[in-house]
Amino acid sequence: ELKVEQNPLFLSMQEGKNYTIYCNYSTTSDRLYWYRQDPGKSLESLFVLLSNGAVKQEGRLMASLDTKARLSTLHITAAVHDLSATYFCAVVESGAGSYQLTFGKGTKLSVIP
Amino acid sequence: DVKVTQSSRYLVKRTGEKVFLECVQDMDHENMFWYRQDPGLGLRLIYFSYDVKMKEKGDIPEGYSVSREKKERFSLILESASTNQTSMYLCASHGQSSGNTIYFGEGSWLTVV
Repeated sequence: ELKVEQNPLFLSMQEGKNYTIYCNYSTTSDRLYWYRQDPGKSLESLFVLLSNGAVKQEGRLMASLDTKARLSTLHITAAVHDLSATYFCAVVESGAGSYQLTFGKGTKLSVIP
Repeated sequence: DVKVTQSSRYLVKRTGEKVFLECVQDMDHENMFWYRQDPGLGLRLIYFSYDVKMKEKGDIPEGYSVSREKKERFSLILESASTNQTSMYLCASHGQSSGNTIYFGEGSWLTVV
């Protein structure tokens, strides 16, 4: 059974600081997704990581994937208040052709001015 | 733009009522999913469908059923709603035309009293 663990679950950080959210998963994976969710809203797709060593960046967010360690990271650079949200990683298990996602529990990020 | 539309955004139902949650996508996607989101638990897969009239159980199918009579529509049914089914329900879709992108609807907030 695929398990996905995120840490930390809660993160309070000051504007301008850097931090990393970690996502570990328990079995081999074809694809790893990062999503953002604002309160009361649906999921916004941030990144899809497909291969070992994949790195993607958008603005102050950078995601990477290490399939050997079964680890993905979401790095936040010089945080701003607008990044306050809950961030989820989600994994599609290898061979699961249906694209069903197994989610981590989410990291609630609060950026304090 | 791909649209995944959940027609009911906010519902309040009584215990024992039959509840239908509807999801429609406009991109001819093969795969459709129903997730449930609860605080501290992340998103959990209830059911998914990879074709018309086809369905597969996810991680938490108990108390739910689904229907997919047309390719664009995937319905989640609570035969006899209970208070522990109070939650946010998210529909998602994916198809060959969308590459690796999985699209989510806006969510349906269900309260069972």
